[in-house]
Amino acid sequence: AQSVTQLDSQVPVFEEAPVELRCNYSSSVSVYLFWYVQYPNQGLQLLLKYLSGSTLVKGINGFEAEFNKSQTSFHLRKPSVHISDTAEYFCAVSGTSYGKLTFGQGTILTVHP
Amino acid sequence: DGGITQSPKYLFRKEGQNVTLSCEQNLNHDAMYWYRQDPGQGLRLIYYSQIVNDFQKGDIAEGYSVSREKKESFPLTVTSAQKNPTAFYLCASRGQGLGGVLETQYFGPGTRLLVL
Repeated sequence: AQSVTQLDSQVPVFEEAPVELRCNYSSSVSVYLFWYVQYPNQGLQLLLKYLSGSTLVKGINGFEAEFNKSQTSFHLRKPSVHISDTAEYFCAVSGTSYGKLTFGQGTILTVHP
Repeated sequence: DGGITQSPKYLFRKEGQNVTLSCEQNLNHDAMYWYRQDPGQGLRLIYYSQIVNDFQKGDIAEGYSVSREKKESFPLTVTSAQKNPTAFYLCASRGQGLGGVLETQYFGPGTRLLVL
């Protein structure tokens, strides 16, 4: 069985400040890890994914994440946020052949001017 | 323009009524998924289908039904047995990766179901 915990339900931050959204997972098998973003009343858009290889993964919109196997974490970071980054962010894990995604509860990022 | 479409954007259900949510994709993906989203709970898997004419229950299938008669279509019916259907419903699809590589799931824009 797999599970994902997003440690913060809400993260407020000022524009141009750095941000980190935390994600921890548990799984008995090798995993694939994803971060998705959701703007209000829209579907999910993939930010980045870790399948294998380098543990530092770069995604769209200046986001990056680091896979840490020993700490079972996959935290999302951005060095300088914009107002347009205000959205809900979901961490997800998949470890099965049929590609089922297990999602965290989501983190609402609010960027203030 | 390739992608996943869901309709309608908003859907209202009366007590005891079955309603069907549409999901269509033109990405030539084999696998399709239905998720339910409730505030503060993330997304939970309702049903999935890896190939035409085959589908499996997810974590919260009770009160829902699906069909997969065509590769591009995976409609979800919310039956009267689903006692708390108010939620945001998201459809996703995934291609078949080469050499066992897990391909990304792509999501549609969602349907918001409300109970009258």
